[in-house]
Order: sequence, then C-alpha cells, then structure tokens
Amino acid sequence: QLQLQESGPGLVKPSETLSLTCTVSGGSISSSGYYWGWIRQPPGKGLEWIGSVYSSGGTYSNTSLKSRVTISVDTSKNQFSLGLTSVTAADTAVYYCATSRLYGKAFDIWGQGTMVTVSS
Amino acid sequence: DIQMTQSPSTLSASVGDRVTITCRASQSISGWLAWYQQKPGKAPKILIYKASSLENGVPSRFSGSEAGTEFTLTISSLQPDDVATYYCQQYNSHPYTFGQGTKLEIK
Repeated sequence: QLQLQESGPGLVKPSETLSLTCTVSGGSISSSGYYWGWIRQPPGKGLEWIGSVYSSGGTYSNTSLKSRVTISVDTSKNQFSLGLTSVTAADTAVYYCATSRLYGKAFDIWGQGTMVTVSS
Repeated sequence: DIQMTQSPSTLSASVGDRVTITCRASQSISGWLAWYQQKPGKAPKILIYKASSLENGVPSRFSGSEAGTEFTLTISSLQPDDVATYYCQQYNSHPYTFGQGTKLEIK
C-alpha cells in the first residue's frame, strides 16, 4: 500500500532554508495521488496547511507563508519536496507530508512526520 | 481565507456516550470537509471526507453531517480508543484551513 516518509535536517539555523523530502513507496508519484501536500504542527498546537502540488503540475501555498514556500516533484526519484526560506523560530514544528489519492478525498495518507527545530 | 471555527476545544465524556463535535465555516465550502483523528505523537488519520463519507476501515460509530456551513462529527458510542484530538479541514478552496482542534477525554 502507499506509504510516505519525510526526511531532512532536524535542526535549521534562523534565516536559512528548510528543505524536506517526502519519499513515496508502494506506488508511483505520477499516478497514485491527485495531489501531494505539506502540513505542519508547532509543538502543542494545531495543524497548518503549507501547500500542495497537483498531479497536473499546479502548485498552491498558504498565503500566510507568502513567497517563502517552494514545492516540487521529482518523478524519477518518486519524491516531492518542500523548501521554506528565511526561517525563524516560528517555523519550528513537526512537518508532515500527505496525499489525496483520489479527487474529493482530502489527505487520506500521511507520513509519520519529522520534527524540525529552528535555532542557532 | 475561509475560517473554520471548531467547538468545543475540549470535551470530557463517558464510555458509551454519544459525542458531538461541531465545525463552522466562514463561507460556503460546498461540503468539502474532512474530519481527522490525531493521537499523541502520531500523524492525523482521516475519518470522514466530503462531510459525511466514512473512510474505509473507520468504525461505523463515527459519522459526519452537514447543514449549510455547519458540520458535525458524531461518535455514537464513545470507546476508550477514541481518546484523541479531532480536527476538521476545509478543502474547497486554497488556502486549505483546519479547525483549532477538539481534545476528547474519557471521564
């Protein structure tokens, strides 16, 4: 069955770029998801949608993060990635990747999440 | 942005009780609402999509309903395994937004 796994540095310095990768297994990223996305959760707080990339190629990101977000897909590696520039302590969170396998399904498969701390 | 107002923020109930959690959207979302269950240290798990469709494998004691911009998650008979935080999410338009969460405890 389809599985997602986040990977990347657990510690990022302020003002630097946070880079995370989500590896898809059990299916092809080209055909197994309607859209792929990133969601984060600061310690002790709720969920925040960061952005999504559609199988058609379109990408959307949260307006609250302005232009700091980049989401891309690498079909050759069966991965999709998140880049978040100019990070501050407010970006400290557990970052989840997730997918909606079918139109209308919402996020029905999630990775286990990875904790990223922004600190010098 | 569409605001999702979820209530209550915490809920304590007894095993076997009927439990209701509400989520109100700031504008029409045409039923594009999902409910998730999150246990401590775990990723969220989808329970309901399109307001009232039960995800495969989710116990039938969970159900969802819609009345305009008000959405309800109901647990018909609370079980100890249902202790978790529950979130609603609208996916009608970007940016997708979540409710603040409801922490459900057993009395």
